[in-house]
Amino acid sequence: DGGITQSPKYLFRKEGQNVTLSCEQNLNHDAMYWYRQDPGQGLRLIYYSQIVNDFQKGDIAEGYSVSREKKESFPLTVTSAQKNPTAFYLCASSTGLETQYFGPGTRLLVL
Amino acid sequence: KQEVTQIPAALSVPEGENLVLNCSFTDSAIYNLQWFRQDPGKGLTSLLLIQSSQREQTSGRLNASLDKSSGRSTLYIAASQPGDSATYLCAVMSGSARQLTFGSGTQLTVLP
Repeated sequence: DGGITQSPKYLFRKEGQNVTLSCEQNLNHDAMYWYRQDPGQGLRLIYYSQIVNDFQKGDIAEGYSVSREKKESFPLTVTSAQKNPTAFYLCASSTGLETQYFGPGTRLLVL
Repeated sequence: KQEVTQIPAALSVPEGENLVLNCSFTDSAIYNLQWFRQDPGKGLTSLLLIQSSQREQTSGRLNASLDKSSGRSTLYIAASQPGDSATYLCAVMSGSARQLTFGSGTQLTVLP
């Protein structure tokens, strides 16, 4: 059963804490992406990776970090430097010029 | 910088109506345009992808058109059903990074 999985579904962050969101895909896609979605808005690109061990900043990378050590995995860390982290986070993957396939999302809330 | 606008932001129609959702983008140098569906609290599902060289794509009751020169796309939904209720997002792929830029979506409600 191929697809993209994200965990956890809900995540709570305390002030000053770093938290990591998981994204795994078994579609054998080279490219992976992280987006942030705020209520009533479209998606904004945080980071993307077109190949293992390489990644690039998107439009809103400040306060976030990523790694791409394996083709299947692209975890996102929300650092304490991100002052407004409450949002819905979506991970996607693709082969390049074709459509992107999205995971179910992680909702991050601040305690 | 690419910008994508979707009109209207929300739309409510009775079941059975045909409807049109609009999308416009500022930079016509695109690779493709995609329409996605998002149910509340869920991820995105791809509906249609139109390559820059194409004018339209069809899938069942859905038809999407692309006029690259004017920076416009429409998503036509025929014979709407309550199950079509969702947010519809338009996105264009452009730039050397082949980045997707999204509109803010149209929230569609189909009333039984």
